[in-house]
Amino acid sequence: GAVVSQHPSRVICKSGTSVKIECRSLDFQATTMFWYRQFPKKSLMLMATSNEGSKATYEQGVEKDKFLINHASLTLSTLTVTSAHPEDSSFYICSARAWGSYEQYFGPGTRLTVT
Amino acid sequence: QKEVEQDPGPLSVPEGAIVSLNCTYSNSAFQYFMWYRQYSRKGPELLMYTYSSGNKEDGRFTAQVDKSSKYISLFIRDSQPSDSATYLCAMRGGTSYGKLTFGQGTILTVHP
Repeated sequence: GAVVSQHPSRVICKSGTSVKIECRSLDFQATTMFWYRQFPKKSLMLMATSNEGSKATYEQGVEKDKFLINHASLTLSTLTVTSAHPEDSSFYICSARAWGSYEQYFGPGTRLTVT
Repeated sequence: QKEVEQDPGPLSVPEGAIVSLNCTYSNSAFQYFMWYRQYSRKGPELLMYTYSSGNKEDGRFTAQVDKSSKYISLFIRDSQPSDSATYLCAMRGGTSYGKLTFGQGTILTVHP
């Protein structure tokens, strides 16, 4: 149990376009979802925390107008990278946590390449 | 100073060796400690979760926490090539639903 999926697994987009990444909890209801960014050989950096039905809470230094997060249901959160630039190229990972649980279950990640 | 320090390695050991992975932290508010394993191009998976100082064992894995020294360790016994991955320590404060702070990750290779 506790499976989290992400789609797409990898995406290449042109500079200036927007790209949406989906994160789904397949067998549990995720009251909280987290979005992380990971650079090669670096740790996971938390970008934002989203609770279902509420606005996301962004970490310091993360532009909320550039990284739009929507958590409209208990099984789906989306991250939209707007007006993407090459420096946005990274590995984006989501995690999901059920109500009353401490554990975060991670998705497989999405590799974004902006050309 | 980073809140969590972890030697990135890489660490290369022969099959069957005992592996020791470590993290230090500076924030005394951290109360819960985790170790994640991350295979290449995959998301992290939880290996061990500990709260108290002391040891916790699960199969070939032992997690050790020393809150007085702000030092945690993960030991892997009888290491296997399938253990080759990046190992990330993570920790959070006393609030049950607080955010995780990760170490940089240690790249481990176990060669046959």
